[in-house]
Amino acid sequence: ELKVEQNPLFLSMQEGKNYTIYCNYSTTSDRLYWYRQDPGKSLESLFVLLSNGAVKQEGRLMASLDTKARLSTLHITAAVHDLSATYFCAVDMGAQKLVFGQGTRLTINP
Amino acid sequence: SQTIHQWPATLVQPVGSPLSLECTVEGTSNPNLYWYRQAAGRGLQLLFYSVGIGQISSEVPQNLSASRPQDRQFILSSKKLLLSDSGFYLCAWRRSPLSEAFFGQGTRLTVV
Repeated sequence: ELKVEQNPLFLSMQEGKNYTIYCNYSTTSDRLYWYRQDPGKSLESLFVLLSNGAVKQEGRLMASLDTKARLSTLHITAAVHDLSATYFCAVDMGAQKLVFGQGTRLTINP
Repeated sequence: SQTIHQWPATLVQPVGSPLSLECTVEGTSNPNLYWYRQAAGRGLQLLFYSVGIGQISSEVPQNLSASRPQDRQFILSSKKLLLSDSGFYLCAWRRSPLSEAFFGQGTRLTVV
């Protein structure tokens, strides 16, 4: 069965701290995407990772991809309140099939 | 530029009634199209995807169906809604296998 698993599913952290969200997937793929969802809203694209070793950074967020380990990470540096959201990874499983993880609900407290 | 339209934004339907949700994409041709469902507080479940007109791949064998009558139009339907069909339905498109998916604003469906 094709699976995309994120952990943790819930994360509460303080402003200024660093943390990492993990995304594991069960099939060979070198195409992985990260999204953000605010409560009651649709999804917004954050990062596109298209090869082994790919690293992308935007502000306090950095994403990386290790296709051999079938693992992607989303690292948050010096968190601020407006990063509170639910973060999803998605993997292209081939034949255009795009499968999402369960999401990580991130709450950043002052 | 490309845009995706999804409607309606909110829908309340009785159990047993039919459903039709429509999604259209502008500014591109031959997009890959997707329907996802998100239950409250949960992740995204892939329901259907399409790589071309009349080509539908189903991921969830339920009382839902999808059709793609035109290149940039994707329709999600049901003949008889169940309570368990309630959720947030999201349509998305991709330009190519290497691009990210872009999402519509979603339809919040409540079956009562």
